[in-house]
Amino acid sequence: EVQLVESGGGLVKPGGSLRLSCAASGFTFSSYSMNWVRQAPGKGLEWVSSISSSSGSIYYADSVKGRFTISRDNAKNSLYLQMNSLRAEDTAVYYCAGGYSYGSPPDYWGQGALVTVSS
Amino acid sequence: EIVMTQSPATLSVSPGERATLSCRASQSVSINLAWYQQKPGQAPRLLIYGASTRATGIPARFSGRGSGTEFTLTISSLQSEDFAVYYCQQYNNWPPWTFGQGTKVDIK
Repeated sequence: EVQLVESGGGLVKPGGSLRLSCAASGFTFSSYSMNWVRQAPGKGLEWVSSISSSSGSIYYADSVKGRFTISRDNAKNSLYLQMNSLRAEDTAVYYCAGGYSYGSPPDYWGQGALVTVSS
Repeated sequence: EIVMTQSPATLSVSPGERATLSCRASQSVSINLAWYQQKPGQAPRLLIYGASTRATGIPARFSGRGSGTEFTLTISSLQSEDFAVYYCQQYNNWPPWTFGQGTKVDIK
């Protein structure tokens, strides 16, 4: 059974940092491109970042560029999102999502991790 | 950045009826269009990719059509488990992926 399990969410003050993790199982993680997609409370979906299977290609949304860093450890079947200089508008549920082809819509999704940025 | 616009915002349908959802792109995305279903408190679920190809395990009552800038998702006979929010997403001009704002299908 395919599983993506996010962790590391929580409450953080504006300007603070948080690191999300996503543990993968049930598929060949090292062959899949991975992504972070977020959803603010009551709002729609917003793409955040993508990383290719080998980490050779990485993209970020303009709204997080320079503040967030995506990475992966294929030996640990894990995906990460380091979030710095957090703002109130970063408050959202963050989903990790995996797809076989880089840039194609992901068919595997985690259950999400809630990040709340508030003083 | 390509803007995706979905209509209507809310669609009220009776169980067993057909539902047709629309998605329009601000410029051509060829057939690089996906549809997702999201239920409250759950992650999105990929339904359709390539505008018309059902993802693994998706029932045949879900069908997608379109190319260029105009797309539709049709649910031929709504089941109780189909009441949810549906999002379209373009992946032709990437990055970034862009999503529509969603169409909520609720019970009439």
